[in-house]
Amino acid sequence: GESVGLHLPTLSVQEGDNSIINCAYSNSASDYFIWYKQESGKGPQFIIDIRSNMDKRQGQRVTVLLNKTVKHLSLQIAATQPGDSAVYFCAEANNYGQNFVFGPGTRLSVLP
Amino acid sequence: DADVTQTPRNRITKTGKRIMLECSQTKGHDRMYWYRQDPGLGLRLIYYSFDVKDINKGEISDGYSVSRQAQAKFSLSLESAIPNQTALYFCATSDLNREEGYTFGSGTRLTVV
Repeated sequence: GESVGLHLPTLSVQEGDNSIINCAYSNSASDYFIWYKQESGKGPQFIIDIRSNMDKRQGQRVTVLLNKTVKHLSLQIAATQPGDSAVYFCAEANNYGQNFVFGPGTRLSVLP
Repeated sequence: DADVTQTPRNRITKTGKRIMLECSQTKGHDRMYWYRQDPGLGLRLIYYSFDVKDINKGEISDGYSVSRQAQAKFSLSLESAIPNQTALYFCATSDLNREEGYTFGSGTRLTVV
């Protein structure tokens, strides 16, 4: 498959451990944030979103934390599995019609 | 069938050639986008369209043009391809409220030699 993000930061975790992927966003006016997962050879897929009136949101095995004070977003994956190996990136937008702006991404490698 | 379909999946073309990348969607979304992805740079917006009569330049529109033939179809053209347009190209759609962000196609890997 294609190799996306050859020079991305890489996070390696043991299968079964928890993963934390971080993202610093740039625009203090952004009020809507999304985490995407991109597997090799595929387009990005929505994982979870959060609006700025929240600081935490949970999904199935994933949690997103938002710290507006320091403009920081994190994605926590519980009990990381081999199928979680992918590139993860955050995106930010606001309600004033701004299109999403994407971060460069982090490659997650799950070790057996 | 995929919600957002891009053709071709892979293409090698020569410098100076005109090439068109096509995108069709079955989501019923009004908004469509073309992004370019390069290693380490993330996704960068080329053009976007909020409805059939609306076309807007994105961050890196130079050297590209688009056509919104119908609500479901949005094509990207490189009038005279150059090697630094070698990249992975993604089409995406969203609804008016951008709930759950974008739905992406599987991408077109374009190589200009």
